[in-house]
Amino acid sequence: GQSLEQPSEVTAVEGAIVQINCTYQTSGFYGLSWYQQHDGGAPTFLSYNALDGLEETGRFSSFLSRSDSYGYLLLQELQMKDSASYFCASGGGGGNKLTFGTGTQLKVEL
Amino acid sequence: NAGVMQNPRHLVRRRGQEARLRCSPMKGHSHVYWYRQLPEEGLKFMVYLQKENIIDESGMPKERFSAEFPKEGPSILRIQQVVRGDSAAYFCASSPGTEEKLFFGSGTQLSVL
Repeated sequence: GQSLEQPSEVTAVEGAIVQINCTYQTSGFYGLSWYQQHDGGAPTFLSYNALDGLEETGRFSSFLSRSDSYGYLLLQELQMKDSASYFCASGGGGGNKLTFGTGTQLKVEL
Repeated sequence: NAGVMQNPRHLVRRRGQEARLRCSPMKGHSHVYWYRQLPEEGLKFMVYLQKENIIDESGMPKERFSAEFPKEGPSILRIQQVVRGDSAAYFCASSPGTEEKLFFGSGTQLSVL
């Protein structure tokens, strides 16, 4: 089975940098993905790490350490619109099911 | 290229009725996934289908729930004899099967009275 743990809530101010952590226990690890979900909306893909290291996509970066079973999502230059829930996810390799983490609600304040 | 289409957006049923949720994947996608989400909780995997085949249904309740993805037409998630505990948002996602990225629909909010 797979389990992915995240902090339930993170608060930061506009313009700041925030890191959302994800620790996992999985069998057959295929890499770590991150999704964003605004209130009740469709989850949208942000990034994917197949290998150890940092992947950068604009203001968002994601990091993976397989040896530590750990990853994080880094959001820079926070904006109010970044207030949302963020989920890490594992699996999906070659079409396998994707298992989602517990989710982190990010609140961006002025 | 239209995204993943789910309908209805909202569905209200009384206890004991049947609920049918539809999902049309993105064009060219042959892999469909269904997830359930309760308020302020994560996305729980239910079932993974390819055309005419159920690949993984390990997240489906053993009774009352079924899913299909026929050769023609949308994928259907069917819930028979609904109970109040079935009230949730049901999300469908699709992928071409060759990458990790899933594309999600806007979901169906099921309310059981």
